[in-house]
Amino acid sequence: GAGVSQSPRYKVTKRGQDVALRCDPISGHVSLYWYRQALGQGPEFLTYFNYEAQQDKSGLPNDRFSAERPEGSISTLTIQRTEQRDSAMYRCASRGLNTEAFFGQGTRLTVV
Amino acid sequence: DAKTTQPNSMESNEEEPVHLPCNHSTISGTDYIHWYRQLPSQGPEYVIHGLTSNVNNRMASLAIAEDRKSSTLILHRATLRDAAVYYCILRGSGNTPLVFGKGTRLSVIA
Repeated sequence: GAGVSQSPRYKVTKRGQDVALRCDPISGHVSLYWYRQALGQGPEFLTYFNYEAQQDKSGLPNDRFSAERPEGSISTLTIQRTEQRDSAMYRCASRGLNTEAFFGQGTRLTVV
Repeated sequence: DAKTTQPNSMESNEEEPVHLPCNHSTISGTDYIHWYRQLPSQGPEYVIHGLTSNVNNRMASLAIAEDRKSSTLILHRATLRDAAVYYCILRGSGNTPLVFGKGTRLSVIA
């Protein structure tokens, strides 16, 4: 596709369940970024990859959050044992070597 | 990343120019000034960026102070579709992530 694609667009899960959020970046983009956005706030950085290598995971809130990009393309953000406070919009962005960042439409996660 | 300071909100009349200010007094010599905007229910989108010289593109103009401690995003004729949150972000070279603040919420009045 032409843009960054995220799936699912909406996810409702019960507290304690694990969830996996997928990001399909623009083809050929080297860098992939994950953000979390609460209502009325700016996106909060979580982690990013250059190719398959995770460069910085300092923004991950705790060890229940993890991300991978095994082949340097699609990435998965996994949240284990979800809690209500994890409810938010999760956004993915990708960037080529000399391009601006392009953001996906996001996954709205609701933990009930 | 160096921090930026923006007004929480601004209002403009439709078809009037809009000047969105950003202060970044601790900017380093290698920091680029980026502007992104986020329309309602959308992901952020790139607007413009610059290093030292003023920049123009089809969306906006970026005026950078000579000492680089402040910049202004200029929308030449605001339309209702320009109503969004505008983020001013400093980022070094390479692929380091964008760090978003709270931005300026721009309202455009018909």
